[in-house]
Amino acid sequence: GDSVTQMEGPVTLSEEAFLTINCTYTATGYPSLFWYVQYPGEGLQLLLKATKADDKGSNKGFEATYRKETTSFHLEKGSVQVSDSAVYFCALSESGAAGNKLTFGGGTRVLVKP
Amino acid sequence: DTGVSQDPRHKITKRGQNVTFRCDPISEHNRLYWYRQTLGQGPEFLTYFQNEAQLEKSRLLSDRFSAERPKGSFSTLEIQRTEQGDSAMYLCASSLGGRGATNEKLFFGSGTQLSVL
Repeated sequence: GDSVTQMEGPVTLSEEAFLTINCTYTATGYPSLFWYVQYPGEGLQLLLKATKADDKGSNKGFEATYRKETTSFHLEKGSVQVSDSAVYFCALSESGAAGNKLTFGGGTRVLVKP
Repeated sequence: DTGVSQDPRHKITKRGQNVTFRCDPISEHNRLYWYRQTLGQGPEFLTYFQNEAQLEKSRLLSDRFSAERPKGSFSTLEIQRTEQGDSAMYLCASSLGGRGATNEKLFFGSGTQLSVL
């Protein structure tokens, strides 16, 4: 079945550092790819998405590019802030499936220190 | 827009007891999802409703689990004869999905944390 693998955390960074969180996937079709973020005490929120190969999703300074050749969707931000401290989840949605049933990776906790 | 609401936020129960959780989706959303998240893991899909119809159930959803959405609005998830392995965060999400839509944005609630002693 479909699966998502992302780098384990925690990732600890200083403010203004560059952040990369690796995500690779296995899927039988052509899935849509997502990054969700969970801030402390809050529910999961969609951060960005890409629906086809070479699409780039972006939001709040974060970017991720759908790379079909490497089955990857790595998340990047050029200059992190303390407020970016959260758990980040990479996810995919099966192509052709009814609804938006998501398969999530295990999550990566990011801690940004001032 | 009050977001997706889940009740209760926390539930502690003894093994063997039945528990029921409630989810109130965003009012105009026609799709509703249940996920389960254990500590340090990503959420796992349990089941999905389009309006009042339950369209898909994961094999994770044993016979002890049942979900309903009787009027196409709020949903309940019941676990009968709880086991310690049921301890997890139960997440509800809703979305507005058109015909054939497969990648619409999901809005998640804050979840119900279940602890089975």
